Amino acid sequence: SAVISQKPSRDICQRGTSLTIQCQVDSQVTMMFWYRQQPGQSLTLIATANQGSEATYESGFVIDKFPISRPNLTFSTLTVSNMSPEDSSIYLCSVTLQVHQETQYFGPGTRLLVL
Amino acid sequence: GNSVTQMEGPVTLSEEAFLTINCTYTATGYPSLFWYVQYPGEGLQLLLKATKADDKGSNKGFEATYRKETTSFHLEKGSVQVSDSAVYFCALRRSGGGADGLTFGKGTHLIIQP
Repeated sequence: SAVISQKPSRDICQRGTSLTIQCQVDSQVTMMFWYRQQPGQSLTLIATANQGSEATYESGFVIDKFPISRPNLTFSTLTVSNMSPEDSSIYLCSVTLQVHQETQYFGPGTRLLVL
Repeated sequence: GNSVTQMEGPVTLSEEAFLTINCTYTATGYPSLFWYVQYPGEGLQLLLKATKADDKGSNKGFEATYRKETTSFHLEKGSVQVSDSAVYFCALRRSGGGADGLTFGKGTHLIIQP
C-alpha cells in the first residue's frame, strides 16, 4: 500500500474564501484523483489530477471552482474556490500505485465546514 | 453512464449472524468491482475486489463474487462481529485499467449488536 497524507485534516472557513488542500504520497504513483463526500452521502469523483497538465474534470465540476495542480508524481493540490455552505464536505485524495494499478488507495480526507 | 446501487441502511444484526449486502451495477464492458469499508473515525479502506466475471474476492471473512449475468457483486460474511460495524461502499471502475476513477454506491451502514 502507500502512506497518503492530506493537509489540513480539517478546517472551518467563511463563505467567499478559498482553501487549498494538499495531498502527498510516499510511493511511486501512477494516477491521482480527488473525490468529495458530502454529509451522509457517497463519494463523488471530482477530477483526475494529471502531472504537468490540466486536470480532467467530471461532469458537474469545473476548473474555476476546483483548480487542481500536480507538479510531480507524488504531490497534488485541490483548491475549493469562492466557497459556499454547500461546499461543506470531506475531500479525499486517491492514488493508484505502479505496483498495484488495479487498486485505488485513499487518503484520510480533509473535513471542510463552510459557514 | 456507470452507476452502482446498493441497499441502504442502517442494517442492524446480532453478533454471529449471516450478512448479505446487495450491490448491483450498470456499466458497459467488463468493469472491475470493489468493496470499500469505512470504520468509525477512520479513512476508506479497500476490503476486496474482483476484476473479471466469476472472480471471487475475499478478505477478513468477507466474500463477494462478480456475477456478470446478474450484474451483481453482493458482499457476504458467515458470522459477523461487533468490530465489523462500519459503512460499506460498493464501487466500480470501468474496463480499461487503472486510468479511471471509481463510481461508488451510496454506502450501507452496518451495525452489529453484541
